[in-house]
Amino acid sequence: EAQVTQNPRYLITVTGKKLTVTCSQNMNHEYMSWYRQDPGLGLRQIYYSMNVEVTDKGDVPEGYKVSRKEKRNFPLILESPSPNQTSLYFCASSLYPGQVRGYTFGSGTRLTVV
Amino acid sequence: DAKTTQPTSMDCAEGRAANLPCNHSTISGNEYVYWYRQIHSQGPQYIIHGLKNNETNEMASLIITEDRKSSTLILPHATLRDTAVYYCIVRVPYSPGSARQLTFGSGTQLTVLP
Repeated sequence: EAQVTQNPRYLITVTGKKLTVTCSQNMNHEYMSWYRQDPGLGLRQIYYSMNVEVTDKGDVPEGYKVSRKEKRNFPLILESPSPNQTSLYFCASSLYPGQVRGYTFGSGTRLTVV
Repeated sequence: DAKTTQPTSMDCAEGRAANLPCNHSTISGNEYVYWYRQIHSQGPQYIIHGLKNNETNEMASLIITEDRKSSTLILPHATLRDTAVYYCIVRVPYSPGSARQLTFGSGTQLTVLP
């Protein structure tokens, strides 16, 4: 089944403890992206990747890192999480950058930083 | 991308048609209308898209006015599982070399009532 898989689904952590949220897609998509969703603010893009080894900042990149060493994986790294990074995170992919119809989202990761 | 305006919320009785409007008066000639939905805390899911002709698929129908300034998403027989936030997005289908993110507005919260 074609899908974007995120792990974990839920995570509670403490301030300053490094964490990684994994994202993997099995559709050979070139483009991958991370969003965060907060009440009243909608979905905001954190980072995106046009292809392997090509990543760039979205609208809210502060406090996050990403890497794209393989086409299928696009992990989101929080080196020193803070409470304002408590949010619902989504990974998404599409075959080509800017393609709209084929945008596929993962099931989400709910992160709580205490 | 053209700006869209959607009602904040709507109710619909189970089994009845749900008609969700979207205004996009500044749409340009090469921009498509896309609809996505987000069931509570899940990743957004693509529903349907169109340029100027009415479209139908297994999920929904899309009616676009002749002047293309507005459209209506129709769920012909709404079920409780259709309760979700529905997003209307207007943009070009593919921008080569562009990594512009998919921008989700506030959407319409559709509640299907038993």
